[in-house]
Amino acid sequence: DAGITQSPRYKITETGRQVTLMCHQTWSHSYMFWYRQDLGHGLRLIYYSAAADITDKGEVPDGYVVSRSKTENFPLTLESATRSQTSVYFCASSESGSYNEQFFGPGTRLTVL
Amino acid sequence: SQELEQSPQSLIVQEGKNLTINCTSSKTLYGLYWYKQKYGEGLIFLMMLQKGGEEKSHEKITAKLDEKKQQSSLHITASQPSHAGIYLCGADDDTGNQFYFGTGTSLTVIP
Repeated sequence: DAGITQSPRYKITETGRQVTLMCHQTWSHSYMFWYRQDLGHGLRLIYYSAAADITDKGEVPDGYVVSRSKTENFPLTLESATRSQTSVYFCASSESGSYNEQFFGPGTRLTVL
Repeated sequence: SQELEQSPQSLIVQEGKNLTINCTSSKTLYGLYWYKQKYGEGLIFLMMLQKGGEEKSHEKITAKLDEKKQQSSLHITASQPSHAGIYLCGADDDTGNQFYFGTGTSLTVIP
């Protein structure tokens, strides 16, 4: 199916564990983004990527690692999960990088116990 | 960093009523975006405003950017249950290198 997908949709893990959230888009968009959404904070940008092998930090990158070896995939890894990383994570993609043209995935709800 | 404060934080209205959501910035807005998020889903872009005093409408939703470009409002006329969701404003910072979202407004429309 065409579009942007995230997996898993729900994840429960323990403090200190490594977790990887997957994001896949079928449009060959150049730009991809990772956000976290928390009550009272709206969405905050974690990392973004302008093309394969090019990534940049957003507003809240600490504790996260990203990679972009292929245009269509943009995995987000929490190397040692903490409770403060309990959140809903959204991946987005766009061709031009313009924020009005971003397409968002359905989100991954992550709980860190 | 830029801060976008939305008010109210949540809103419950009867179907058919009008409502307004506000987005206030700590700095001058260079591009103000409105999004809607259905519960459990990603964001959908609604409108973008750039010029002071600009106003745009789409169906029953109207967004305005004030002349000073520090506040935007989203007005829904004759609300329907399909309008329910979380509304978020977003804006570029003055460098154009960062994008910030507002704190969000949760809207419930009671049939």
